[in-house]
Amino acid sequence: SQQGEEDPQALSIQEGENATMNCSYKTSINNLQWYRQNSGRGLVHLILIRSNEREKHSGRLRVTLDTSKKSSSLLITASRAADTASYFCATDAYSGAGSYQLTFGKGTKLSVIP
Amino acid sequence: DTAVSQTPKYLVTQMGNDKSIKCEQNLGHDTMYWYKQDSKKFLKIMFSYNNKELIINETVPNRFSPKSPDKAHLNLHINSLELGDSAVYFCASSLRGNSPLHFGNGTRLTVT
Repeated sequence: SQQGEEDPQALSIQEGENATMNCSYKTSINNLQWYRQNSGRGLVHLILIRSNEREKHSGRLRVTLDTSKKSSSLLITASRAADTASYFCATDAYSGAGSYQLTFGKGTKLSVIP
Repeated sequence: DTAVSQTPKYLVTQMGNDKSIKCEQNLGHDTMYWYKQDSKKFLKIMFSYNNKELIINETVPNRFSPKSPDKAHLNLHINSLELGDSAVYFCASSLRGNSPLHFGNGTRLTVT
């Protein structure tokens, strides 16, 4: 089944530094999404990038997509302690009858040290 | 107001019991989902459902069944609970199948 794989599995940085997380997937997609999960909470949608887009920005977030390499990256600039969370990429997969399902990777656990 | 709410937040039960988790969304979305997150944080889709069809992940045991009384609710019923069912279960909804998902805060199920 199609699935994103995040890299690295865990990342620890100092507050103010930039954090980069990568995601690779296996088959063609319509869009790729990034989510954040704080401890004990549900996932929160961060950004969606379509297959015909190469880069997208939202505040301190920058997402790139390379469909030729089937990979995406999430950059968080000027990190804050509040950015400490797990980050997941999700790819859409056609599940038949005009329906799509999102499939998530295993996530990158980001720790931002004050 | 909470967009996607699920209850209970914690559920501790014994093997063999039957339990249900409730989910409600007030976003007017057409599609709802159940995901299972294991101890390694891996999220696996179990079901997606809109008013037209139910799509079941073929790896989900038939002890798990979604029940939707209306468009805003998708409850999860689990029969004959097993130790391996222990996990966090998330309900989610979206406008369309590949639109951004809105998640509930999860139900931590512990089977003893």
